[in-house]
Amino acid sequence: GAVVSQHPSRVICKSGTSVKIECRSLDFQATTMFWYRQFPKQSLMLMATSNEGSKATYEQGVEKDKFLINHASLTLSTLTVTSAHPEDSSFYICSARERGRDSTISYEQYFGPGTRLTVT
Amino acid sequence: RKEVEQDPGPFNVPEGATVAFNCTYSNSASQSFFWYRQDCRKEPKLLMSVYSSGNEDGRFTAQLNRASQYISLLIRDSKLSDSATYLCVVKLNTGGFKTIFGAGTRLFVKA
Repeated sequence: GAVVSQHPSRVICKSGTSVKIECRSLDFQATTMFWYRQFPKQSLMLMATSNEGSKATYEQGVEKDKFLINHASLTLSTLTVTSAHPEDSSFYICSARERGRDSTISYEQYFGPGTRLTVT
Repeated sequence: RKEVEQDPGPFNVPEGATVAFNCTYSNSASQSFFWYRQDCRKEPKLLMSVYSSGNEDGRFTAQLNRASQYISLLIRDSKLSDSATYLCVVKLNTGGFKTIFGAGTRLFVKA
């Protein structure tokens, strides 16, 4: 199946710093990438939907100025957590949808392995 | 009311048992349905899609009831390796696709 990678897999940073997480589709072109956050023992929460070449669409309650998303190419999307705080510590997961999929047909999202962020 | 609801469990079952999970969804515009499996501290992985006619994959059977707006997952002959969280996922098309994850049902299979 399709492969999506994330880098880094784990990161520890100090409060107030910024952290960038990369999401890459390795063997397919992804017109749409999704960013999720998951706190311990909670479900995945969609943060934003990123379309290549356009601005990301953020879910209600997610600060777009704090979570900067860039989807500059069909294989790469980045999430930057700016001025991180301890409450931003979480598991961040990206997923990608393959280019060319008919929007009327159900499709699978391919998930990356996730990035565990700890803000101290 | 949550858009996708699951019994959080945990379900504790012995090896070899049959266990069933249900998931209800509130939006009748829901178009596609999936079960994902998530191991602790890992990303979710697609277990199976759920079709209107019901579908089976080895020990796993998924069913969809559109009239009552629920989907189910049946696991037969449980294995220790089935221990995980099972996520119900619903996709809507309301002018654009929206994916909603259930909170998950935790399963522990014990020897």
